[in-house]
Amino acid sequence: GQSLEQPSEVTAVEGAIVQINCTYQTSGFYGLSWYQQHDGGAPTFLSYNALDGLEETGRFSSFLSRSDSYGYLLLQELQMKDSASYFCAVGTNAGNNRKLIWGLGTSLAVNP
Amino acid sequence: DSGVTQTPKHLITATGQRVTLRCSPRSGDLSVYWYQQSLDQGLQFLIQYYNGEERAKGNILERFSAQQFPDLHSELNLSSLELGDSALYFCASSPDIRTPNTGELFFGEGSRLTVL
Repeated sequence: GQSLEQPSEVTAVEGAIVQINCTYQTSGFYGLSWYQQHDGGAPTFLSYNALDGLEETGRFSSFLSRSDSYGYLLLQELQMKDSASYFCAVGTNAGNNRKLIWGLGTSLAVNP
Repeated sequence: DSGVTQTPKHLITATGQRVTLRCSPRSGDLSVYWYQQSLDQGLQFLIQYYNGEERAKGNILERFSAQQFPDLHSELNLSSLELGDSALYFCASSPDIRTPNTGELFFGEGSRLTVL
């Protein structure tokens, strides 16, 4: 079967660094995406990893290890506005089409 | 602003009723995806259309149906509504038949459906 696991909640303080892990089990894997969703809002794309290694975009970085079926999102210099839910999504090939399998999301609370 | 437009933003209706949610994708995007998000839950993929044709189905109930029109806008029809259908319904779009190589979908602001 196909599954994703990520922690349900993470708490951190302003200025700190937090890592949100995502482990997956799937066939036809082609990439791992991360999305941010503020309460009730539209999910917005943060990053994408197709190959092993670290991708850095400003304060956010994302890592992938295909051999370990594992990735993480690293948020540095946390700000209050980073309080949101973070979803990992695994891209899988299904015949002639690709689809995204979504995790249940990690609720990040950034405290003063 | 993602460029994806969804209407209505909010909808309150009664059990047993039928509603239609509308989505206009980003200009130039041919693929439209529908997702359901219940309270404190992840995104459940419902269905994908590409250039007017159904391309992938997820956990979509038989009471639900969708279509994509020649102008590429899409509608999600929900019938015989139950209390459990109360949720946020998101539409997303991407340029081509496959989730693009960057894994990026562009989401609308969602339609919040409340069934009483």
